[in-house]
Amino acid sequence: GDSVTQTEGLVTLTEGLPVMLNCTYQTIYSNPFLFWYVQHLNESPRLLLKSFTDNKRTEHQGFHATLHKSSSSFHLQKSSAQLSDSALYYCALSPPGTGSNRLTFGKGTKFSLIP
Amino acid sequence: NAGVIQTPRHKVTGKGQEATLWCEPISGHSAVFWYRQTIVQGLEFLTYFRNQAPIDDSGMPKERFSAQMPNQSHSTLKIQSTQPQDSAVYLCASSLVWGGQDTQYFGPGTRLLVL
Repeated sequence: GDSVTQTEGLVTLTEGLPVMLNCTYQTIYSNPFLFWYVQHLNESPRLLLKSFTDNKRTEHQGFHATLHKSSSSFHLQKSSAQLSDSALYYCALSPPGTGSNRLTFGKGTKFSLIP
Repeated sequence: NAGVIQTPRHKVTGKGQEATLWCEPISGHSAVFWYRQTIVQGLEFLTYFRNQAPIDDSGMPKERFSAQMPNQSHSTLKIQSTQPQDSAVYLCASSLVWGGQDTQYFGPGTRLLVL
């Protein structure tokens, strides 16, 4: 079945520095949909980014990611991390088409900023 | 728009008791998903309904878990003979359409504690 691997555990950075959270995936589908969801403390996950177009940069709220099918990757980046970015980040995959649209999530990366 | 509504927000049961969790999707959304979130496993897919019909229950533990969607405005997840390992946050999500690219909107979750 589908699987998603992302930087596990806790990533701690000083505010203002660039950040990259890694995400790679395995799937039998040639055109999967990839997502980044963010979950702040005591909140539910909400969509941050999504993409299904190879080699096209997707941006939202200062974050960006590019789906690279050649390397099965969808890394999340930001040029200057802010304290408010401290949260749990999930990379997820959904199959294409109209079958099951279940999301397969990675284990999540907890991102913590230091002032 | 109230978003996805889940009740109760917290539930404590004794081992062996039954737990029923409720979800009201966003009005007009045709797809409803159930996920389970734990610290160890992260977010795991349980089951999925499309236009009230069960489409994929491959993530459901077979013996004690069941889900229904009797009408377009609510879905239930029932756990019989609850066990301590069922303790988790159960998240319901809905999406407007059932294409793989569509954004899933998560509810606040029901935190289940089995003693």
